[in-house]
Amino acid sequence: NAGVMQNPRHLVRRRGQEARLRCSPMKGHSHVYWYRQLPEEGLKFMVYLQKENIIDESGMPKERFSAEFPKEGPSILRIQQVVRGDSAAYFCASSRDPTYNEQFFGPGTRLTVL
Amino acid sequence: AQKITQTQPGMFVQEKEAVTLDCTYDTSDPSYGLFWYKQPSSGEMIFLIYQGSYDQQNATEGRYSLNFQKARKSANLVISASQLGDSAMYFCAMREGPGGGTSYGKLTFGQGTILTVHP
Repeated sequence: NAGVMQNPRHLVRRRGQEARLRCSPMKGHSHVYWYRQLPEEGLKFMVYLQKENIIDESGMPKERFSAEFPKEGPSILRIQQVVRGDSAAYFCASSRDPTYNEQFFGPGTRLTVL
Repeated sequence: AQKITQTQPGMFVQEKEAVTLDCTYDTSDPSYGLFWYKQPSSGEMIFLIYQGSYDQQNATEGRYSLNFQKARKSANLVISASQLGDSAMYFCAMREGPGGGTSYGKLTFGQGTILTVHP
């Protein structure tokens, strides 16, 4: 039973480029959460999605960031026109349902903006 | 106000000794869950243990136990018989319910505690 998959594991972008981060939840999990970890800090919630629906995007920056979780395929976190401050580790987590007592994390994508 | 507070930026413990990592939380929601995760230097987030607000007993998972004191709003992680491989960053996190004015499911994390196990 594969865990949460994220790719790429490392992503380097120049300022102004787009970054697309992908997350495949665990089998049987339909709830996906994205978190960002800045250097030397804890994880901060960004967005919570179910298939084809954004449930809570209260942690998403208002501009340049978007997320989707289509009916088929992985969840995508998209960052347009990246800036140096976007450099961070981006983690995806999944759960069977929001009340479940486990939320499993993927290995993360480390984004570096040059 | 901080919802999750981990007051120990760093902790040291001798191999085979027990160590307690502190976590206090703040919520007005009667239904919530508390999680502990381990983040080794490789960066992944490893789920360790969960405690629900209505659970009568403290959670245990192998060498990990959660000292849950509801009235004090604390959820300390106890690691028994520390091993060198326990050296890592440890995060406490809370999941609130709809009564907390937020969506069910998302986790709020503390700042973390770096644990170093000495041989």
